[in-house]
Amino acid sequence: GENVEQHPSTLSVQEGDSAVIKCTYSDSASNYFPWYKQELGKRPQLIIDIRSNVGEKKDQRIAVTLNKTAKHFSLHITETQPEDSAVYFCAASFNKFYFGSGTKLNVKP
Amino acid sequence: EAQVTQNPRYLITVTGKKLTVTCSQNMNHEYMSWYRQDPGLGLRQIYYSMNVEVTDKGDVPEGYKVSRKEKRNFPLILESPSPNQTSLYFCASSFRQGNSPLHFGNGTRLTVT
Repeated sequence: GENVEQHPSTLSVQEGDSAVIKCTYSDSASNYFPWYKQELGKRPQLIIDIRSNVGEKKDQRIAVTLNKTAKHFSLHITETQPEDSAVYFCAASFNKFYFGSGTKLNVKP
Repeated sequence: EAQVTQNPRYLITVTGKKLTVTCSQNMNHEYMSWYRQDPGLGLRQIYYSMNVEVTDKGDVPEGYKVSRKEKRNFPLILESPSPNQTSLYFCASSFRQGNSPLHFGNGTRLTVT
């Protein structure tokens, strides 16, 4: 089955800096790659997603890139703010979702 | 409002006492799924359902049962809970399996003593 690895497990940045979280996947059939943000005590919520026919997608301060050849995709957050502090999960899916183990992002004011 | 509703939010029970966690969605989604979340292990799938009367095991199905008699409801049943099932549980649904966004419920924190 699919195996999704996510790095780093924790990330601490200064407010205003950029943050990058990387994921790799093993199954070349995976064609949908969402990213979820989970604040403490709350449910995961979709923040951005990308499909395999697209290399990059951007939504304001958030962007995702996908390299199908290398089987990796990344989340980029620019101009980080304290409210970006949360756990971020990547996922890869063809007919089933496989989640990474999560990255705890801490944005220091 | 489009949502996935789980109940209860918190549940403390004892070993062996059967329990059910309910999940309902109002988005007419075909696909529903249950996950458990444990520290350092991310989200692991317990069971999923592609449509009414169609269910299948996920990665960690042992000790759990599900049913999908109606499209909107997907209850999770623990026939004989054990302490290793203490966890945070999320129900999720999506329009179609695999390539549309998952919408999560608010979670159920279960403690089995």
